[in-house]
Amino acid sequence: EVQLVESGGGLVQPGRSLRLSCAASGFTFDDYAMHWVRQAPGKGLEWVSGISWNSGSIGYADSVKGRFTISRDNAKNSLYLQMNSLRAEDTALYYCAKGGAYDWGKGAFDIWGQGTMVTVSS
Amino acid sequence: SYELTQPPSVSVSPGQTARITCSGDALPKQYAYWYQQKPGQAPVLVIYKDSERPSGIPERFSGSSSGTTVTLTISGVQAEDEADYYCQSADSSGHWVFGGGTKLTVL
Repeated sequence: EVQLVESGGGLVQPGRSLRLSCAASGFTFDDYAMHWVRQAPGKGLEWVSGISWNSGSIGYADSVKGRFTISRDNAKNSLYLQMNSLRAEDTALYYCAKGGAYDWGKGAFDIWGQGTMVTVSS
Repeated sequence: SYELTQPPSVSVSPGQTARITCSGDALPKQYAYWYQQKPGQAPVLVIYKDSERPSGIPERFSGSSSGTTVTLTISGVQAEDEADYYCQSADSSGHWVFGGGTKLTVL
């Protein structure tokens, strides 16, 4: 069964850091780009970041550039999101999503995890 | 910044046809994708590359493109189709953008 399982969310104070993880199974992880997408409570979807199959190409939304870092470990079939200098507006459910073959700029997000909630508050 | 514009809501009666539009300047040059999201659930891909339907998605879901507007059409709407629908495409720098979402209500 193709599956993505996120973890690492929680309550964190403004200015602090958090690292999210996404464990993939059921498909050849290193053949595909991967993404993080977030959804603030009651709001729409926002693309956060994408990474190519071999980590050679990475993209970030302007809202997180310079604060968040995406990475992957193909040997562990895992995707990560290091979030620094967190702000209240980063509060959201963070989804991991499987992208198209190889390149993060191409292809549909055809598999999604159930998400992990990040709450930034003092 | 690039925006994809969707109507906030669409309402139809069961058995009727629902059409949800998404407008964006780059849509003539970039593919569009559509996702269905039911309350408390993760999004599900229902249309890719403007008009292709993934396996397992009912045939009543279809997509089309004309100029700067793409349309998701649900023919013979069923109660289970009530959900939020999001379009997605890329901006000129290749970054992904989602529309604001459309709440489909089945009356």
